[in-house]
Amino acid sequence: SYELTQPLSVSVALGQTAIITCGGNNIGSKSVHWYQQKPGQAPVLVIYRDTNRPSGIPERFSGSKSGNTATLTVNRAQAGDEAHYYCQVWDSSVALVVFGGGTKLTVL
Amino acid sequence: QVTLRESGPALVKPTQTLTLTCTFSGFSLTTYGMRVTWVRQPPGKALEWLARIDWNDDIFYNTSLRTRLTISKDTSKNQVVLTMTNMDPVDTATYYCARLYDRTGYLDYWGQGTLVTVSS
Repeated sequence: SYELTQPLSVSVALGQTAIITCGGNNIGSKSVHWYQQKPGQAPVLVIYRDTNRPSGIPERFSGSKSGNTATLTVNRAQAGDEAHYYCQVWDSSVALVVFGGGTKLTVL
Repeated sequence: QVTLRESGPALVKPTQTLTLTCTFSGFSLTTYGMRVTWVRQPPGKALEWLARIDWNDDIFYNTSLRTRLTISKDTSKNQVVLTMTNMDPVDTATYYCARLYDRTGYLDYWGQGTLVTVSS
């Protein structure tokens, strides 16, 4: 089955740039989506189709993809950005939604 | 305005069948391209996709759970129902329903989730 690999945790200093990666075989051929989940809350879509931001998501959040890795970048990290972040794809070959294991972002 | 809300029992006993209902508004499952999906999250763990149902009655299941899951829809009530048989304590989780949008499969609106505990 298809797997997405994320680091368990990422730390970033307040106001600096956080980079969260998501690795998967041939991920370049798939659309990658990202979700933010704060404690006790439902996930919120922050990036869809690799690079697109839903309305209401700050421009500080951006997505990119290169090779077998997708990346979520959080510029000028704020305390309110502390959360778990999950990447996700739709594996059309087997018709499955696949989530990464999640990354806890800590803002120091 | 799109909203989804999960409902169902907070506690089920081992071996029982869980039935969860997702009631949504702001879109119709008779509209081309609309899909509703279920996701769960055990306490402190990652998201796990369970099942999906589409406007055209296509249905997809998590491969490892497919023998225990059934998803259905009632378009007249704007509801999607998920049943999971033979519940076990490891199935204790928050269960979310979400709208799955676009052929690329992103979940743009989520319910608030419902915690289901499996215990005797």
